[in-house]
Amino acid sequence: AQSVTQLDSQVPVFEEAPVELRCNYSSSVSVYLFWYVQYPNQGLQLLLKYLSGSTLVKGINGFEAEFNKSQTSFHLRKPSVHISDTAEYFCAVRDPNDYKLSFGAGTTVTVRA
Amino acid sequence: EAGVAQSPRYKIIEKRQSVAFWCNPISGHATLYWYQQILGQGPKLLIQFQNNGVVDDSQLPKDRFSAERLKGVDSTLKIQPAKLEDSAVYLCASSLVASGRGETQYFGPGTRLLVL
Repeated sequence: AQSVTQLDSQVPVFEEAPVELRCNYSSSVSVYLFWYVQYPNQGLQLLLKYLSGSTLVKGINGFEAEFNKSQTSFHLRKPSVHISDTAEYFCAVRDPNDYKLSFGAGTTVTVRA
Repeated sequence: EAGVAQSPRYKIIEKRQSVAFWCNPISGHATLYWYQQILGQGPKLLIQFQNNGVVDDSQLPKDRFSAERLKGVDSTLKIQPAKLEDSAVYLCASSLVASGRGETQYFGPGTRLLVL
């Protein structure tokens, strides 16, 4: 079974500063990778996903992530955050031959003015 | 397009009581998932339906949890009797199909359960 490690549980950041959320997964085979965002009292919303092709994936709200197979990582970045980016972010992995999504524990991003 | 609907949004019960959650997936979505999200953790899959059949319920505590998806549309998840450790957010998600091609799962707002 796949597992996901999100290395930072909480990330405080000032408005307009860059942010990077780290995600590592455990697998030696091809995987599909996802980042979801969860705003307070809401469900999860897909930010972006990597299935194949270019290792740099662009998502909604100015987020992007880079797939690094040798380091089994899929870090999420945004060059300039807004107050509205305050939320919890989840990295998830899926085996292409399976349907199960395995989620990390989440990273809480708090953006301050 | 309407999203995944869930009700109730919040529920407080005492241990040993029973509770039921309802989910209405996005129209046309064949696959429906129930996840349990305990505070401080990522969602964990409890059960997956393909139309009205169960695909995977390996992580569903079957001695107390049950789920059904009659007619392949709406679904209910029931806990009977509830334990303190069942306090969590129960998320419902749906997708068009359950292929291995990175199909996007769309999540509802969740039901927050507190067991006292």
